[in-house]
Amino acid sequence: SQKIEQNSEALNIQEGKTATLTCNYTNYSPAYLQWYRQDPGRGPVFLLLIRENEKEKRKERLKVTFDTTLKQSLFHITASQPADSATYLCALDGGNQFYFGTGTSLTVIP
Amino acid sequence: GAGVSQSPSNKVTEKGKDVELRCDPISGHTALYWYRQSLGQGLEFLIYFQGNSAPDKSGLPSDRFSAERTGGSVSTLTIQRTQQEDSAVYLCASSLGSVGIGGNQPQHFGDGTRLSIL
Repeated sequence: SQKIEQNSEALNIQEGKTATLTCNYTNYSPAYLQWYRQDPGRGPVFLLLIRENEKEKRKERLKVTFDTTLKQSLFHITASQPADSATYLCALDGGNQFYFGTGTSLTVIP
Repeated sequence: GAGVSQSPSNKVTEKGKDVELRCDPISGHTALYWYRQSLGQGLEFLIYFQGNSAPDKSGLPSDRFSAERTGGSVSTLTIQRTQQEDSAVYLCASSLGSVGIGGNQPQHFGDGTRLSIL
């Protein structure tokens, strides 16, 4: 079955720095990979989608890369702000199911 | 416009009782998903509806779990003879129709139903 791993459970960075989150997957080659943000007590909110033939995608301060050879996606938040503090989830379709990683909790310290 | 609505937001019930959780997707979204999120865990995929097609139920954890989607809109997740391990947040999401299971479409989530089994 599909397995998705996200780097360290928690990431603390200083305001203004770039946060980099990692998502690794096995056993499947998805055509798309998605990133979501989840705040406590709320459902996940969609951020970005990247296709297998796209190396990189940007949206404002967010950047996602997708390396199908390494089976890895990197999610970057530049000029981070305390309001970026949340849990970030990667997700992909694996045939007849949809798989989410366990998430990385990001804390941006003022 | 209105987002995905789930009800109730919280449900506390005794072990052995049946529960029904409701999801109202975004109007026009043909795909609907149910997930379960246990404390500190990732989202566990349960079931996916696409239009009028029969859903793939292979993600449901046991035969105590069932889901329906009436008229291609509202969905109900039913858990029979609840057990304490069923305690979790149950999340519903909807998206526009797509090829396959919808990896090419953003999912729009409700805020979930927090289910506690005593």
